Amino acid sequence: SAVISQKPSRDICQRGTSLTIQCQVDSQVTMMFWYRQQPGQSLTLIATANQGSEATYESGFVIDKFPISRPNLTFSTLTVSNMSPEDSSIYLCSATDIAGNTIYFGEGSWLTVV
Amino acid sequence: GENVEQHPSTLSVQEGDSAVIKCTYSDSASNYFPWYKQELGKRPQLIIDIRSNVGEKKDQRIAVTLNKTAKHFSLHITETQPEDSAVYFCAASSSGTYKYIFGTGTRLKVLA
Repeated sequence: SAVISQKPSRDICQRGTSLTIQCQVDSQVTMMFWYRQQPGQSLTLIATANQGSEATYESGFVIDKFPISRPNLTFSTLTVSNMSPEDSSIYLCSATDIAGNTIYFGEGSWLTVV
Repeated sequence: GENVEQHPSTLSVQEGDSAVIKCTYSDSASNYFPWYKQELGKRPQLIIDIRSNVGEKKDQRIAVTLNKTAKHFSLHITETQPEDSAVYFCAASSSGTYKYIFGTGTRLKVLA
């Protein structure tokens, strides 16, 4: 299984600021995704991180708010821009294995916006 | 797009009893159905999965069944233990997109 490292693991952010979350996978993977999990809620897909090109965003999420990069097969970043308290969530990086079968999650980045 | 519904939202069982969680999906192209367990403060962990060419899969006390015609799949936990207490999520994806759409989650409490 892939080992996925995320940082920061936790942060308290000021309203109006931006924060970039980094995700590193220990092996080559096919797909990388970013999910958001609001308190007590399920996981909602933000976007698919595409290597070397713009991410594919789900309905309700836009690039200006959640810019994503994936410069190579094993690394991706998610920026949460101009944060408001509603952005307080767990942000989870995930990746499928080389066969595109199973999805694995990073430890998550717990953001609190004050 | 795909929509996954999950029931019940909460489930309490006595230790040793069985627990069943059910999910339905909308996209007939979905062909992979994993189940995740999330303990408080932890990331979701894959516990079992099933593909559309299989009707049932079992791993010790955990089993998953799939009914493609009805578009529903279920998680069965037998001989429940307190450490089974967690939130369980079902998900569905299709090989074409590899996107995983998650159910709303079930909070399972196993009472000692």
